[in-house]
Amino acid sequence: AQSVSQHNHHVILSEAASLELGCNYSYGGTVNLFWYVQYPGQHLQLLLKYFSGDPLVKGIKGFEAEFIKSKFSFNLRKPSVQWSDTAEYFCAVNLYSGGYQKVTFGTGTKLQVIP
Amino acid sequence: DTEVTQTPKHLVMGMTNKKSLKCEQHMGHRAMYWYKQKAKKPPELMFVYSYEKLSINESVPSRFSPECPNSSLLNLHLHALQPEDSALYLCASSQDASGGTDTQYFGPGTRLTVL
Repeated sequence: AQSVSQHNHHVILSEAASLELGCNYSYGGTVNLFWYVQYPGQHLQLLLKYFSGDPLVKGIKGFEAEFIKSKFSFNLRKPSVQWSDTAEYFCAVNLYSGGYQKVTFGTGTKLQVIP
Repeated sequence: DTEVTQTPKHLVMGMTNKKSLKCEQHMGHRAMYWYKQKAKKPPELMFVYSYEKLSINESVPSRFSPECPNSSLLNLHLHALQPEDSALYLCASSQDASGGTDTQYFGPGTRLTVL
């Protein structure tokens, strides 16, 4: 069965610091990869996604992620975080199986940005 | 309109009650999903509807009964729940469940408490 692991459960950064959140998945076939964000009191929103092509994908609000197939990784990065980036970040894998897509989420990383 | 709406926002029910959660989208999506999210955990897939037919049931207990009356609406009927069923119930929709590359759009969730 597919699984997704996020190494950092809670990250605290000062504003302007650089961010990298790790995500690894376990599935040998073709996967589609997502990062979702959940701001306090808000619903899950898509940050970015990778299906194919350029392994470096750019999302909203200055976020980017790099797909490294050999490492089964899809790490999220941002050069300079802002206080408004405080949120929970979920990596997700969408596996097409049995004719339907099934999304598995990682355990999430809570990011706290200190002004 | 990229919004998925869910009602009610909060629900408190006893173990003998029968209640329903509702989800609605007007994006023309043909796939709809129910997820369960416990505190400090990632969303876990419960059900997938594709073209108004139940496609995936992730071994969910029968006290949860989904219904898709039309392509815009998704209900989750609750009966004889247990306190451990208390969680945030998320609805999502996507263009098509069979593509594998669809983005899922999430609603804000219904916070359910079972006494």
